[in-house]
Amino acid sequence: TQLLEQSPQFLSIQEGENLTVYCNSSSVFSSLQWYRQEPGEGPVLLVTVVTGGEVKKLKRLTFQFGDARKDSSLHITAAQPGDTGLYLCAGADTGNQFYFGTGTSLTVIP
Amino acid sequence: GAGVSQSPSNKVTEKGKDVELRCDPISGHTALYWYRQRLGQGLEFLIYFQGNSAPDKSGLPSDRFSAERTGESVSTLTIQRTQQEDSAVYLCASSQINYGQQFFGPGTRLTVL
Repeated sequence: TQLLEQSPQFLSIQEGENLTVYCNSSSVFSSLQWYRQEPGEGPVLLVTVVTGGEVKKLKRLTFQFGDARKDSSLHITAAQPGDTGLYLCAGADTGNQFYFGTGTSLTVIP
Repeated sequence: GAGVSQSPSNKVTEKGKDVELRCDPISGHTALYWYRQRLGQGLEFLIYFQGNSAPDKSGLPSDRFSAERTGESVSTLTIQRTQQEDSAVYLCASSQINYGQQFFGPGTRLTVL
């Protein structure tokens, strides 16, 4: 079992604050994805990182893949209420099997 | 439609009954996944279909769970003799092999009374 642990599990912050979510594993992944899920809907892909040490930026979101391809982080700058949701990381093995993290529930208070 | 669809959207059943959940993947997607998500938690892998290869059933929690897929189209997840702990949202996703991005359906919320 390739377990992905996310921290924190719950996060409640004020609008405008910065935050970082972590995704850690003892396993190596060929790629890692971040998803956001809103209530009553399926997860939606935010980004895929494939190279150790890779950093990707999407507007206020910055994603980093660890050098050893075992961990990742998601940093949000100046959080907005629209960022509220469940953030999930998912690691892919060479067989295209995906292993999802435990999730981080983010609430941004206006 | 352009996305993954699932039916029913909600299912309430009595303990001991069998249920069938359906997933229509995006046309042309060779890979199809089923996941279970308990309230406020991450996704638990159940089963993975890839083309004509034997499915990866390693995530099915018990022999009460089974799934089928016809070619590269519709898939059904069957839960026999449902138990209260089966209550969850069951999500289906499809992807094109080699691309990796999974497109998720809206899920079926199963409630076992």
